[in-house]
Amino acid sequence: AQKITQTQPGMFVQEKEAVTLDCTYDTSDQSYGLFWYKQPSSGEMIFLIYQGSYDEQNATEGRYSLNFQKARKSANLVISASQLGDSAMYFCAMREALNFNKFYFGSGTKLNVKP
Amino acid sequence: DADVTQTPRNRITKTGKRIMLECSQTKGHDRMYWYRQDPGLGLQLIYYSFDVKDINKGEISDGYSVSRQAQAKFSLSLESAIPNQTALYFCATSGPGQGAGELFFGEGSRLTVL
Repeated sequence: AQKITQTQPGMFVQEKEAVTLDCTYDTSDQSYGLFWYKQPSSGEMIFLIYQGSYDEQNATEGRYSLNFQKARKSANLVISASQLGDSAMYFCAMREALNFNKFYFGSGTKLNVKP
Repeated sequence: DADVTQTPRNRITKTGKRIMLECSQTKGHDRMYWYRQDPGLGLQLIYYSFDVKDINKGEISDGYSVSRQAQAKFSLSLESAIPNQTALYFCATSGPGQGAGELFFGEGSRLTVL
């Protein structure tokens, strides 16, 4: 089974609106971390946000928040007030405590922000 | 200057040629990684290293080899390149006690094998 599933290959959002990018994960480990990365068309990978499995509150970083639903094993990224510069690929990733140095990545979601 | 530097950034080569991609970092991290990115497949781990004496295979190590020359340097070699190794390659680092322990990526090396 895939460790990380991103079911939305591509999405459109109107500028200034909020958008949710879906991510579900599969693990039997009790301790794990969830990450989101942004990859603009220039190719670099930019770390956005992190959620630990024991964190009781959803992580937030500026316009990014992570909607963490542990029972459902989902870790959706919410971008508020979308900007044109948010157009990029977004990757969800997980790291398990049992194999701390191994990160699993999803296949990504391409977000296009329309003016 | 970037904390994680990859060279070359772009390379076109022919089938059967030996290729080396180099990575150096100034973050002082012990852990270094090589990932491969193909369209629609996300990132796949090729090799990773915890320190100079520790090298581990990832999910797709066949056809690749690595060398950890120093804490700051980790190179990836394709001994005999083939067209399906055409991809974007990323070097990354992480370190204990560094924030969330997230990966810090280089800017990527785009390799085309003809």
